[in-house]
Amino acid sequence: GENVEQHPSTLSVQEGDSAVIKCTYSDSASNYFPWYKQELGKGPQLIIDIRSNVGEKKDQRIAVTLNKTAKHFSLHITETQPEDSAVYFCAAIGTGTASKLTFGTGTRLQVTL
Amino acid sequence: GAGVSQSPSNKVTEKGKDVELRCDPISGHTALYWYRQRLGQGLEFLIYFQGNSAPDKSGLPSDRFSAERTGESVSTLTIQRTQQEDSAVYLCASSFNPGQETQYFGPGTRLLVL
Repeated sequence: GENVEQHPSTLSVQEGDSAVIKCTYSDSASNYFPWYKQELGKGPQLIIDIRSNVGEKKDQRIAVTLNKTAKHFSLHITETQPEDSAVYFCAAIGTGTASKLTFGTGTRLQVTL
Repeated sequence: GAGVSQSPSNKVTEKGKDVELRCDPISGHTALYWYRQRLGQGLEFLIYFQGNSAPDKSGLPSDRFSAERTGESVSTLTIQRTQQEDSAVYLCASSFNPGQETQYFGPGTRLLVL
């Protein structure tokens, strides 16, 4: 089955700096890659997703890039703000896997003032 | 509109007791998913429903775990004879259709087995 690895496990950046979180996946058939933000005591919230027919997608300060050949995808947050502090999860879903998401182990992002 | 809701938000039970966790998906969403999140870890897939059928139960950790969905709406996850290792947050998600579609998560039920 699919295996998703995520790095780093923790990331501390100063307010205004950029943050990058990287994930790799094992199943070359995977074609949908969402990123979720989880705040303490809450369920994961989708922040951006990308499908395998594009290489990059942006939404204001957030961008995701996908390299299908290398089987990795990354989340980029620019101009970080304290409210960006949370745990971020990448995930992958492939064809023939009954729609289940396979998640990375999460990155705890801390944005300091 | 209303998102995915789950109840109870917190549940404390004694080892050996049965528990039922409820999920109300977003209205009109045909696909429903249950995941488990242990403290400080990622989410593990448990089971997926398309309508009232469960095409994929591969993530259920043991036969103590079962789930059903009725009316293509509400789902219940039941854990029988709970064990301490069942302590986790149980998250429900729904999507309009199965496949490469956005899954929207509820707030979760925090289960603690003493």
